[in-house]
Amino acid sequence: NAGVTQTPKFQVLKTGQSMTLQCAQDMNHNSMYWYRQDPGMGLRLIYYSASEGTTDKGEVPNGYNVSRLNKREFSLRLESAAPSQTSVYFCASSERQGSIEAFFGQGTRLTVV
Amino acid sequence: RKEVEQDPGPFNVPEGATVAFNCTYSNSASQSFFWYRQDCRKEPKLLMSVYSSGNEDGRFTAQLNRASQYISLLIRDSKLSDSATYLCVVFTYSGAGSYQLTFGKGTKLSVIP
Repeated sequence: NAGVTQTPKFQVLKTGQSMTLQCAQDMNHNSMYWYRQDPGMGLRLIYYSASEGTTDKGEVPNGYNVSRLNKREFSLRLESAAPSQTSVYFCASSERQGSIEAFFGQGTRLTVV
Repeated sequence: RKEVEQDPGPFNVPEGATVAFNCTYSNSASQSFFWYRQDCRKEPKLLMSVYSSGNEDGRFTAQLNRASQYISLLIRDSKLSDSATYLCVVFTYSGAGSYQLTFGKGTKLSVIP
């Protein structure tokens, strides 16, 4: 049981480049989330998807877009990377019948230079 | 008032000590509560759920006080392996398929030999 799988694990981008972070879960969860974690800031919600076909902004959505491709996959796109987007990104999923605990991917360490 | 507040610590305690962490939340409509553990440069992992009646898992005891909007985690007989950051997590469902997991910034614990 893989749980939540994120790719890539590490990435270095130049300012202005674009990239997509991929996330997939195999737990039949309805909800999926993207967080970023910066030192001293804790986990901050970028976007979430309560169910297939829906997405909503979180606390820090600017500079990001998301796609809930199907129930399993939720991708995060940076259209024009900025140094302020240097962070660790975590994908999470939760909520199926009888259970709402969230499970996290291993994270993507992104550096924008 | 921030949605979920925790003392960031660090808490530096000797092996064998008992340590308690507290967390407050602002949304009285929040339904479910959790403690997560995060090791350095790793993803958060579920430690335990928190119930009004209190729940215990070995050396760990969690308690919820809905009237005061307060959550606690007690660790008895601390081990070196307990060194980590402990995150308070609040689940809030606001209807029409809209809900979020909100994380506190975490409390850092260092258990010293």
